Amino acid sequence: GENVEQHPSTLSVQEGDSAVIKCTYSDSASNYFPWYKQELGKRPQLIIDIRSNVGEKKDQRIAVTLNKTAKHFSLHITETQPEDSAVYFCAGRTSYGKLTFGQGTILTVHP
Amino acid sequence: NAGVTQTPKFQVLKTGQSMTLQCAQDMNHEYMSWYRQDPGMGLRLIHYSVGAGITDQGEVPNGYNVSRSTTEDFPLRLLSAAPSQTSVYFCASSSAVGEQFFGPGTRLTVL
Repeated sequence: GENVEQHPSTLSVQEGDSAVIKCTYSDSASNYFPWYKQELGKRPQLIIDIRSNVGEKKDQRIAVTLNKTAKHFSLHITETQPEDSAVYFCAGRTSYGKLTFGQGTILTVHP
Repeated sequence: NAGVTQTPKFQVLKTGQSMTLQCAQDMNHEYMSWYRQDPGMGLRLIHYSVGAGITDQGEVPNGYNVSRSTTEDFPLRLLSAAPSQTSVYFCASSSAVGEQFFGPGTRLTVL
């Protein structure tokens, strides 16, 4: 089955810096890669996603890039703010509806 | 739309008790799943369903049963609760190719 590895497990940045989280996947049939943000005590919520026919997608301060050949994708957050502090999960999907999640990255943005 | 709803929000059980966590969605999604999230950990898939009458095991199915008699509902049954099942349980749903939405979670403590 699919395996998704996520790095780093923790990331600490200063407000205004950029943050990058990287994920690799094992199944070349994976065709959908969402990123979720989970604030303390809350449910995971989708922040951006990318499909396998697209190399990059941006939404204001966040962007995701996908390299199908290398089987990795990354989340980029620019101009970080304290409210970006949360746990971020990447995921990959191959078969009907089923997502495989990475282990999560705890992002801390220091004011 | 209410989205994905879960009841109860909190539950305390004694070892050996059984209970059912309820999950419902009103988006006509085919795919539904249950995850558990232990403190400081990622999301582990317990069971999932690709449609009414069809269920399958995820990564950590032992001690849990599911059924899917309707498109809307996907209850999770704990057969004989153990302290190792203390966790936060999230239900989620999606179409085959769309965004996966999470419910608000059930915080379960087994004494």
